[in-house]
Amino acid sequence: QFVLTQPPSASASLGASVRLSCTLNSEHSTYAIAWHQQQPEKGPRYLMKLDSDGTHYKGDGIPDRFSGSSSGAERYLIISSLQSEDEGDYYCHTWGTGFAVFGGGTQLTVL
Amino acid sequence: EVQLVETGGGLIQPGGSLRLSCEVSGFTVSQNDMNWVRQAPGKGLEWVSRIKPGGRTDYVESVKGRFTISRDGFQNTLSLQMHSLRPEDTAVYFCAGWAGDWCWGKGTLVTVSS
Repeated sequence: QFVLTQPPSASASLGASVRLSCTLNSEHSTYAIAWHQQQPEKGPRYLMKLDSDGTHYKGDGIPDRFSGSSSGAERYLIISSLQSEDEGDYYCHTWGTGFAVFGGGTQLTVL
Repeated sequence: EVQLVETGGGLIQPGGSLRLSCEVSGFTVSQNDMNWVRQAPGKGLEWVSRIKPGGRTDYVESVKGRFTISRDGFQNTLSLQMHSLRPEDTAVYFCAGWAGDWCWGKGTLVTVSS
């Protein structure tokens, strides 16, 4: 069974950086993922696709403050120069033959 | 400009049926992976179903045999036919797909309750 594991919560100060993680099963460590943001009371927004080698492809209009990296079965979303509007839920998502799955999401609080 | 607009949500009794539609503009539904994703109240995102360009369809285990995804190439729309609805199917249903980037609709609310 394919599982994406995300910590339920994270926090960081305004202007600081934060790294959110998404862990794949070890046997699926080569899979690409996508990151999505959901601000409070809004629909999801696509941020980027992130390959296993760390190459990331951001969506239109996504600020340079958002980037991604990979290490083994870990996929990361890095947000620098945190702003208040970055507060919300962040989901990773992957797909393959016969399936797709979302992680449980990380709720980010900007202090 | 890419737009996905879902319609068809509403209040339905347990055991009932509902059909969701998604009108797509800015890219061709039949040439891209198209999905339905749902979000129950206060919960995370859950992938529901996908149809690939070649026509292959996939479903999350909990909806297999009850939901059917389809598309209309002429109208450039995506649909989700839902039967035997359960209270746990209550959610906002989003149409979404890969068109270069992953594109989301704004969602339509389905409430299954007596």
